[in-house]
Amino acid sequence: DTEVTQTPKHLVMGMTNKKSLKCEQHMGHRAMYWYKQKAKKPPELMFVYSYEKLSINESVPSRFSPECPNSSLLNLHLHALQPEDSALYLCASSQEGPRINYGYTFGSGTRLTVV
Amino acid sequence: GENVEQHPSTLSVQEGDSAVIKCTYSDSASNYFPWYKQELGKGPQLIIDIRSNVGEKKDQRIAVTLNKTAKHFSLHITETQPEDSAVYFCAASRGSTLGRLYFGRGTQLTVWP
Repeated sequence: DTEVTQTPKHLVMGMTNKKSLKCEQHMGHRAMYWYKQKAKKPPELMFVYSYEKLSINESVPSRFSPECPNSSLLNLHLHALQPEDSALYLCASSQEGPRINYGYTFGSGTRLTVV
Repeated sequence: GENVEQHPSTLSVQEGDSAVIKCTYSDSASNYFPWYKQELGKGPQLIIDIRSNVGEKKDQRIAVTLNKTAKHFSLHITETQPEDSAVYFCAASRGSTLGRLYFGRGTQLTVWP
């Protein structure tokens, strides 16, 4: 299995809603990531988890809350979002240790629209 | 931090022609250089990568070259097909910077039949 699976594929939420994005990988990767991508732009790093511990938070607003329940799962909890948070949210994973970043694999993303 | 420049931003070729996309990087400690293809509405797909101890790598119609001295790397696609049309991103990273890929701004490749 060489895939990163993200659900849901599309999400429309109001500014007062609470929702969660989910990501799963079974490649044995121990580093997992959340990215945000706006149209015609490269992905922007949001969070990095290494061995289920948060290691990088790129000064992301607290209305985005990541969670890594185990080595295969990564969640992104959303609350009180703004319309400008509408974007494609990508999950990725990679190997850990000396070969860090090798096999860096992205999921298909969740297209989020905040209304 | 690392700065990755990618050119051109758009590229149009006729089916069967070759396409070349070039990237430069600034951090001499970068040692891993992946290329991603992103189709409309999908996530980036890793198509080929190269490590700093290798100068060239080929996979069927796709090849990547790396010049560490000049700090640039290039993606070469031969015998292009309409299904190669997509946005291509280059990226650079080094193992000591956990999880951080530095992306170029992307190249929109269009292959005309």
